[in-house]
Amino acid sequence: GENVEQHPSTLSVQEGDSAVIKCTYSDSASNYFPWYKQELGKGPQLIIDIRSNVGEKKDQRIAVTLNKTAKHFSLHITETQPEDSAVYFCAVVWGAGSYQLTFGKGTKLSVIP
Amino acid sequence: DVKVTQSSRYLVKRTGEKVFLECVQDMDHENMFWYRQDPGLGLRLIYFSYDVKMKEKGDIPEGYSVSREKKERFSLILESASTNQTSMYLCASSLGDRISYEQYFGPGTRLTVT
Repeated sequence: GENVEQHPSTLSVQEGDSAVIKCTYSDSASNYFPWYKQELGKGPQLIIDIRSNVGEKKDQRIAVTLNKTAKHFSLHITETQPEDSAVYFCAVVWGAGSYQLTFGKGTKLSVIP
Repeated sequence: DVKVTQSSRYLVKRTGEKVFLECVQDMDHENMFWYRQDPGLGLRLIYFSYDVKMKEKGDIPEGYSVSREKKERFSLILESASTNQTSMYLCASSLGDRISYEQYFGPGTRLTVT
């Protein structure tokens, strides 16, 4: 199956600074790359996604960039706030025509006030 | 809003017991999934279902089975619970139209097997 590596596993930033989380994947046929945020006591929730025909996508303070040649994509959070503290997961659709997502192992982001 | 509910938030069972975890979604989604979440290992797919009575194994199906008798309900069954199945279990659903891959998750069931 698909292999997804996510780094770093933990990240601490000062409030107002930027945070970047990176994922690499192995299947060149993958065409959908979402990011999920999991707050304490809740299930993961989609925050942004990108498809393979797009290089970058922004939604207010969050953005995702995709480099298909290098097979990596990144989540960028600017002007971090304490409510951004959570566990973030990247994911990749497992193979063409599949419904399955393969998730990275997660990054625990702590935003220090 | 899509709502995915799980029957219990916390569950404590004894080794060898048969355990049922229930999941219900209210948005007529075709696909449903069961994951387990462990620290440092992320989300690992146990089973998924793309239609009623249809199921496929995920990455870690050993020791588990599933049942989907109705479209809105997907059950995870631990035939004989063991301590290494102590974990957080997450259910999810998605539309299944091959356009939207977004999965909607329930709040999770934290299962402890003693």
